[in-house]
Parts: sequence; C-alpha cells; structure tokens
Amino acid sequence: GESVGLHLPTLSVQEGDNSIINCAYSNSASDYFIWYKQESGKGPQFIIDIRSNMDKRQGQRVTVLLNKTVKHLSLQIAATQPGDSAVYFCAEKPPPSGAGGTSYGKLTFGQGTILTVHP
Amino acid sequence: DSGVTQTPKHLITATGQRVTLRCSPRSGDLSVYWYQQSLDQGLQFLIQYYNGEERAKGNILERFSAQQFPDLHSELNLSSLELGDSALYFCASSVVDQGTDTQYFGPGTRLTVL
Repeated sequence: GESVGLHLPTLSVQEGDNSIINCAYSNSASDYFIWYKQESGKGPQFIIDIRSNMDKRQGQRVTVLLNKTVKHLSLQIAATQPGDSAVYFCAEKPPPSGAGGTSYGKLTFGQGTILTVHP
Repeated sequence: DSGVTQTPKHLITATGQRVTLRCSPRSGDLSVYWYQQSLDQGLQFLIQYYNGEERAKGNILERFSAQQFPDLHSELNLSSLELGDSALYFCASSVVDQGTDTQYFGPGTRLTVL
C-alpha cells in the first residue's frame, strides 16, 4: 500500500548547525508534498510545500528538495535553533484514485523524525 | 494558532461507549479532514468533507462516522469504543478540496479509552 517512510527516526544537532531531514516516498504519481512540524502537545504545523513540477523550494530558513528519480524528499533547516526541536513529518498527496477520484485531499504521512537541538 | 478549533481537548471514556469530537474549521475553509495519530500507526487519514459532502475516505472503521454541517463545522463520532481507539484525533481544514492547498491542523483531541 501507499507509505511514506523516513530514513532517520532521530536527529540531534547543535544550535546554529544546519539540519537535514530525509523522507522516502513510495507513490511515484504523488504530485504534492508537504513538511509539517509537530511540537509536543500540539497539532502539526505547516512548514513548506512543493509540487511535483519543482525540485526545490525555499522558505524562511527552510528549503525543501524533491528528487523524483529516487522518490526522495528532504527538509533543510538553516541555523537550527532550540525552538526548532520537534517531530517533523513529510506527507504526500497521491493522485485521485478509484472511480470518481476518491483521494482528493488525502495526505499520507511519514512516521516522523525527532529533531533535537542542543543549545 | 492555526485558526482550527477542536473540542474537547481531552476525553476519557470506557470501552463500549460512544463519543463525539467536534471541529470548527478556519474561517473561509470549506474542506475538513480528520486524522488519527497513534504511537504504532502514526498519522492516518480518516475522512474528508467538502462543503457538507464526503470527499475521500481513508482507513476509517465502520464504528466511526463523521459529518459536516451547514455552518461547516464537523463532528467525528466514535462508537463501541475499544482500547485501541485511544489516540490523538486531529481535524484539519483547507480552502478547497484538491489537497494542494494547505491543510491547517487543529490542536487535537486526546481520547483515552479505559
């Protein structure tokens, strides 16, 4: 079935370092990808997204890279801060499937990577 | 604050019982999504509604049902509860229903089934 998996379940970095969180996705037909950040006791918070017709997108301190050849997605966080400590999830949106296109807004999430930033 | 509200924040109940979780989407958003987050399954999509109509279904159990009302708020009903239903339940909303618009998540409802 569809699944999105992460290579590393935990990542520890020092404050000021750059962080890279990786994600492998399985559905080559997925056309939209998102990174979410989830802090303890809170809901997932949107960070950045990218469509399948792009290979790179930059935000404030974050960059998402998409490699469709190997079905790989990464999130780069520049100058990581203690406030960046959280669980990071990648998610993909598969194309409509089945009669009438029944997967509309469905997102398939990876299992998450725990990022810990040490001051 | 995403603008999505969920009530209650915590819910403790017994096996066999029925509960209702409530979600109010962001102002202007027509689409509502429900997700379940458990330790062993991660974040799993349950169901999506758009402007009152069911749009997509995930691995939602038959004991679970949802609806979206004319004022666009949504409720997720969980019945014949089992221990394994203990989880965080999140609601998300987006402007339209295509999935390429950002889904904003609420703070979640933590359900504990004893």
